Amino acid sequence: DVKVTQSSRYLVKRTGEKVFLECVQDMDHENMFWYRQDPGLGLRLIYFSYDVKMKEKGDIPEGYSVSREKKERFSLILESASTNQTSMYLCASSLSGRSHNEQFFGPGTRLTVL
Amino acid sequence: AQSVTQLDSHVSVSEGTPVLLRCNYSSSYSPSLFWYVQHPNKGLQLLLKYTSAATLVKGINGFEAEFKKSETSFHLTKPSAHMSDAAEYFCVVSVSGSYKLIFGSGTRLLVRP
Repeated sequence: DVKVTQSSRYLVKRTGEKVFLECVQDMDHENMFWYRQDPGLGLRLIYFSYDVKMKEKGDIPEGYSVSREKKERFSLILESASTNQTSMYLCASSLSGRSHNEQFFGPGTRLTVL
Repeated sequence: AQSVTQLDSHVSVSEGTPVLLRCNYSSSYSPSLFWYVQHPNKGLQLLLKYTSAATLVKGINGFEAEFKKSETSFHLTKPSAHMSDAAEYFCVVSVSGSYKLIFGSGTRLLVRP
């Protein structure tokens, strides 16, 4: 069974802390994505990666960075967490090749910044 | 530019009655369209996708959707709702030449016993 896992289901951090969210997929997918989900706004793309060490900004990259050192792992970094980054964060992966390839999602990390 | 609009933020139906979740899209090319479902405290799961083959697409759990180019719609339907269908549903359009997806704001489906 295909699987995308995220390191934490719930996380509470303080303003100004550096936060790491980890995502691992076991499907040998080339593409990986980080989204944030907020009520009434759907999912918004933060960053995506189409290969190891390659990344592209999504729609809302400000305040975030990413790292992809291995094909199966994609990390989201909040350099200095702020309260407006309190949200649900979802990781996804997909095969490359076609834009209609399905994205597979992890269970999400609910981050609260105090 | 591509966009997607889900016309209802909440839909409430009785168990055993039909479900209709409405979605309109905007795209300058022939799009790929998806419906995803998210159950409480879970990640998103693909229900079905349209990729320019048959306009009536069948998905999992008895759901189906019809692509209507003239109406720029991709509504999701199910003949008979089940309690386990209560969840949030997202209509999604792909971005031409990219792996990016654009998500609608979601429709929360409530199923009454």
